[in-house]
Amino acid sequence: AQSVTQLDSHVSVSEGTPVLLRCNYSSSYSPSLFWYVQHPNKGLQLLLKYTSAATLVKGINGFEAEFKKSETSFHLTKPSAHMSDAAEYFCVVSAPGDMRFGAGTRLTVKP
Amino acid sequence: DTGVSQNPRHKITKRGQNVTFRCDPISEHNRLYWYRQTLGQGPEFLTYFQNEAQLEKSRLLSDRFSAERPKGSFSTLEIQRTEQGDSAMYLCASSLRVQGTEAFFGQGTRLTVV
Repeated sequence: AQSVTQLDSHVSVSEGTPVLLRCNYSSSYSPSLFWYVQHPNKGLQLLLKYTSAATLVKGINGFEAEFKKSETSFHLTKPSAHMSDAAEYFCVVSAPGDMRFGAGTRLTVKP
Repeated sequence: DTGVSQNPRHKITKRGQNVTFRCDPISEHNRLYWYRQTLGQGPEFLTYFQNEAQLEKSRLLSDRFSAERPKGSFSTLEIQRTEQGDSAMYLCASSLRVQGTEAFFGQGTRLTVV
């Protein structure tokens, strides 16, 4: 069985400041982990993925995430937020045939 | 190939009617997933196909719901005797049968039951 917990339902930052979106997972397997972004009225887009290679993963638009097995965490970060980053972000844990989403974190970016 | 395609994009139906949605995955993808997403929530897993075989079904998928993937290509999701609680966005995704590969999502079908 797998599950994902996104620790914050809403995060608000000012433009130009760092972003931290937190994710903890539980899995009976050695999972693959993903972050997806969903902009209003748009489809889900992959930001980055972890698949047991490097623990620090770089994605699109300056986002990165670090896999910490001891903490069962896969937090998403970005050094400097941009207005266009405002969206809903989902952490996903995946094993063969089983892909589970967190409840999502809504990121608001203030000018 | 233009990605995962879902039709229709929007469906409004009266309570008690049956509806069917279609998903066309990326052509070489052998895995296909259906999810349901309600406002303010993350996508909830409904069912999963590997080629034409339905390998996993969520408890969310009551006996009013049925999904098929004939010949391992497109898939349909049918909801019989719709209820207002079925109103949601229904998402389809596909991926390769390789551990660690990401799933590609369609734009979804938004169902409104009135």
